[in-house]
Amino acid sequence: SQQGEEDPQALSIQEGENATMNCSYKTSINNLQWYRQNSGRGLVHLILIRSNEREKHSGRLRVTLDTSKKSSSLLITASRAADTASYFCAGTSGSRLTFGEGTQLTVNP
Amino acid sequence: DTGVSQDPRHKITKRGQNVTFRCDPISEHNRLYWYRQTLGQGPEFLTYFQNEAQLEKSRLLSDRFSAERPKGSFSTLEIQRTEQGDSAMYLCASSLAGGGHYGYTFGSGTRLTVV
Repeated sequence: SQQGEEDPQALSIQEGENATMNCSYKTSINNLQWYRQNSGRGLVHLILIRSNEREKHSGRLRVTLDTSKKSSSLLITASRAADTASYFCAGTSGSRLTFGEGTQLTVNP
Repeated sequence: DTGVSQDPRHKITKRGQNVTFRCDPISEHNRLYWYRQTLGQGPEFLTYFQNEAQLEKSRLLSDRFSAERPKGSFSTLEIQRTEQGDSAMYLCASSLAGGGHYGYTFGSGTRLTVV
């Protein structure tokens, strides 16, 4: 079973715009991670935020975590066509990563 | 070391046949994970190893599935008597111990099609 839900399921934007994806999870977590997956390929780790952190930045990525609401968001600024992919959040509980169902992001040139 | 390698990339098999997949993790990583992903869904946890010990198995891992990691290096995932419902992408990942504090490195996956 999946850890939680991601919103929206699909997002289409123009190059240069910002993209925001949200994730909600059900159980307590040690940290929350975001991954990207290009069609038919493996997942690439983007960023990890620990349960005692509220916000983290990495390049054009900004992640927030609200443990009281059991939710996280991923913001990609100044999007590029190459950002087109599926994005998954995954919560860590113990040694297991539990993934959401993902957001399909399409960045139109 | 160029990352996590999985072999084969694609496998088409007839229902009822046995299949085996291989995963070669990053050599410094002592944890290895298997996930299964169906179209349009996020990956689902199957099992993980720390070194050669299989420490956790999902209920998804029926008795037709078996995974090994001899000598704590590469791992194999075998599916016996395949069924059409086994068609999916099988992903392997590795991490350092305390993997919850580090990102996992995933392989490109093995896509299984059962006909």
